[in-house]
Formats: sequence, C-alpha cells, structure tokens
Amino acid sequence: DQQVKQNSPSLSVQEGRISILNCDYTNSMFDYFLWYKKYPAEGPTFLISISSIKDKNEDGRFTVFLNKSAKHLSLHIVPSQPGDSAVYFCAATKGGFGGNQFYFGTGTSLTVIP
Amino acid sequence: DAGVIQSPRHEVTEMGQEVTLRCKPISGHDYLFWYRQTMMRGLELLIYFNNNVPIDDSGMPEDRFSAKMPNASFSTLKIQPSEPRDSAVYFCASSFLGGTREDTQYFGPGTRLTVL
Repeated sequence: DQQVKQNSPSLSVQEGRISILNCDYTNSMFDYFLWYKKYPAEGPTFLISISSIKDKNEDGRFTVFLNKSAKHLSLHIVPSQPGDSAVYFCAATKGGFGGNQFYFGTGTSLTVIP
Repeated sequence: DAGVIQSPRHEVTEMGQEVTLRCKPISGHDYLFWYRQTMMRGLELLIYFNNNVPIDDSGMPEDRFSAKMPNASFSTLKIQPSEPRDSAVYFCASSFLGGTREDTQYFGPGTRLTVL
C-alpha cells in the first residue's frame, strides 16, 4: 500500500509564477520528509528536507511546508524557472537510525513554460 | 567523488534470460539501496544493505529477484528468469548515517531494463 502519495501526476506553470507540489502520507510515525528532483535519464537528486519538529524549511527559491495534523506537505518554488522542469518525488522516513528507509511517492512532473 | 555508478545504463533482453545489474556506491557509505521506478508505483524499494548485510528484502517482488553485496564497493541485482513486466528503470542509491537525521540518499543514474 502506498504510504506516500502524490495525487497530481503533472503540473504546468508559467515562468516567474509559483509552483506548488503536494504530497500526502498515511503513516503518523514518519518524522522526516524530503523532496527529490529528477531530470530525464538521471537519478533523483536531493532538493530539500524537513523534520517533523518544524512546519517550514526554506532554501532559496524552495520552501517546504509540513502540516502534521493533515499529514500533508507541499513544496513551493518561487519564482519558477524553466530549469525547474523535472519530476519531483516526495519521500518520508521513520524515526531512529535503523536504516534510513525512505518511502517515495509516484512523482509529479513539473513543466515551467517560458 | 564520482558518485554512485551503475552499469549497464541500458539493457535489452529477451524473456527468460538472466539479467544482472551492477552498482558501485559512494566510497565510505554504509547503506546501499535498490529501487525500481514504475509509473504506477513510483520509486519502489526492493532491498537495502547495511555494511554489506541485507537488512530488508521485503520489497523484492519474487524469488526471481536476488541481490548481493560481496563487499563495500559493489552490489548486484539479478533477475532470473526475466519477464516483460520487469521492464523498468532500476536505481541504486547509497547513504551514510553519521548520527544525524540530515542524511540523505545519493542515487545513481539508473539502468533502463527492457525485457522483450
């Protein structure tokens, strides 16, 4: 059963506008969340993360918001640039150091239109 | 560092043949993960190792799949016999848990497998 869900397979945004990618999870034991970015023919690369003790983490144009009560997180990209066009994966992991096992969503393909 | 290295990048084979995918993790990393990417399930964890020991293989779909890590710098994922439904992109990733929760996984470029 998919414990991390990304319900929007694709998203198109105009350059300069905000991109909002959403992710939902079902397991309340998850305490650390990550976003990965993937270009065609390449492996996913780490983008930004957030611990469950926070509700927001910002890194340049990228901000991740966490709503624990709703089991929901989102990635905001402002302003969006054509180079941001990629597939974005949300991932979650449980507490402890027992293996760092990540649970990934199915991905959202973002297209930023120049 | 060269990052995680996977070979081959592309593999086309016929149903029933044995397929072996290879991975070299980042030097010093003590965890290694094998994933399969499909449209329906996204990035699906197949198996992971810690210090060359398999920890969780519950994601391996069938007995046709097997994985080994004979040393810290090499791992293989084998499918025997292969079937068309095994067609997917297979990723290897490695990580180092240095005692913080800021660790992340570093992915290789993937192997695109096509079984005819």
